[in-house]
Amino acid sequence: AQKVTQAQTEISVVEKEDVTLDCVYETRDTTYYLFWYKQPPSGELVFLIRRNSFDEQNEISGRYSWNFQKSTSSFNFTITASQVVDSAVYFCALREWNRDDKIIFGKGTRLHILP
Amino acid sequence: EAQVTQNPRYLITVTGKKLTVTCSQNMNHEYMSWYRQDPGLGLRQIYYSMNVEVTDKGDVPEGYKVSRKEKRNFPLILESPSPNQTSLYFCASSLGLAGVGNEQFFGPGTRLTVL
Repeated sequence: AQKVTQAQTEISVVEKEDVTLDCVYETRDTTYYLFWYKQPPSGELVFLIRRNSFDEQNEISGRYSWNFQKSTSSFNFTITASQVVDSAVYFCALREWNRDDKIIFGKGTRLHILP
Repeated sequence: EAQVTQNPRYLITVTGKKLTVTCSQNMNHEYMSWYRQDPGLGLRQIYYSMNVEVTDKGDVPEGYKVSRKEKRNFPLILESPSPNQTSLYFCASSLGLAGVGNEQFFGPGTRLTVL
């Protein structure tokens, strides 16, 4: 069965520090997709990245980077030189290929960036 | 502007009074979903639709109904709301199967309180 675990419920770091948000998933499929979404205090959900199971390359986008490791079933998200605007709840999500449009979200990690 | 709209944004109602939350997208997306977000539980999928007249249950469908008579609209119906349906609801859409090169776009959310 699908499962997404974000073990860190809440994290606080001081501005400019690096921070990593963990995401561990469970799936029996060989083809699946992983996502990260950001939910700022305003409440909307913002898509950050999608990764399919055949692409294990890490990705960097500005201060954001993602580390996908199939061997440990993890898809971790790192923010480098954090800023106050990064304060938000971050969700990791999983979709298995044979599950149509059904998507499972983790419970989210609330990130506080302290000035 | 490409967007997913939801109405109402806020609703306070009483137990048993039928209500409908509308969702509309202007991107000609085939796939639409409803989620509820509760503290500590993350986002849970209620129902999803792969096309007109095609709907299926997500993880928490009890107490909800949906319909997809037109491609752009995907209303969520609570026939007899109860206090445990007090939540933040999100509608989402994607061009195709989420993950196959297509991200999910989320609406702004509807905060529902059932007294």
